Amino acid sequence: DTGVSQNPRHKITKRGQNVTFRCDPISEHNRLYWYRQTLGQGPEFLTYFQNEAQLEKSRLLSDRFSAERPKGSFSTLEIQRTEQGDSAMYLCASSFSGTGAVAFFGQGTRLTVV
Amino acid sequence: GENVEQHPSTLSVQEGDSAVIKCTYSDSASNYFPWYKQELGKGPQLIIDIRSNVGEKKDQRIAVTLNKTAKHFSLHITETQPEDSAVYFCAARDNAGGTSYGKLTFGQGTILTVHP
Repeated sequence: DTGVSQNPRHKITKRGQNVTFRCDPISEHNRLYWYRQTLGQGPEFLTYFQNEAQLEKSRLLSDRFSAERPKGSFSTLEIQRTEQGDSAMYLCASSFSGTGAVAFFGQGTRLTVV
Repeated sequence: GENVEQHPSTLSVQEGDSAVIKCTYSDSASNYFPWYKQELGKGPQLIIDIRSNVGEKKDQRIAVTLNKTAKHFSLHITETQPEDSAVYFCAARDNAGGTSYGKLTFGQGTILTVHP
């Protein structure tokens, strides 16, 4: 499968725990995005990488959230001290700047904080 | 920043009918407008997109129209089938400051139900 891959697909965690999600983009894509989607809403932008550089972060991304893309390939999104309000679907997308930035999404990681 | 409004929030049609979903955007500098289909428990799947230098684009039963002056764009699905049932999202590419990184602003979604 050459699409965007996200792991895990589902994560249930207790409030206060830390969680980390992984995203493997389409191999030739240099841009990677994280979005958050709550029930009944469209995805909301969280952050963006071009290669290994994190170029933009949304105000939605509190200090408890951190994202990395260390070698310009896969990316991780960590949430520290999870809260119930963090429960959502976390979506990763990738694109190639040379093709007009058409973004392809992964299947997402569904986080439930109990 | 960009703001995208999408209507209707739910749409129910009979198989074979047409379905139209409309979106408006606020940033006149936005230049790229994709549509995504999302099935339950899955990520959004790109189904069609249009750039600001084009007024209409068609792909089999799906078409998208863009009115830059009015800042609105629409998705048209003809000859609907039960497998078209899903949530559809429009989006606009934020072009803040004239530099486009590909960040998308999404509408609220339309739940399309096609009855056999």
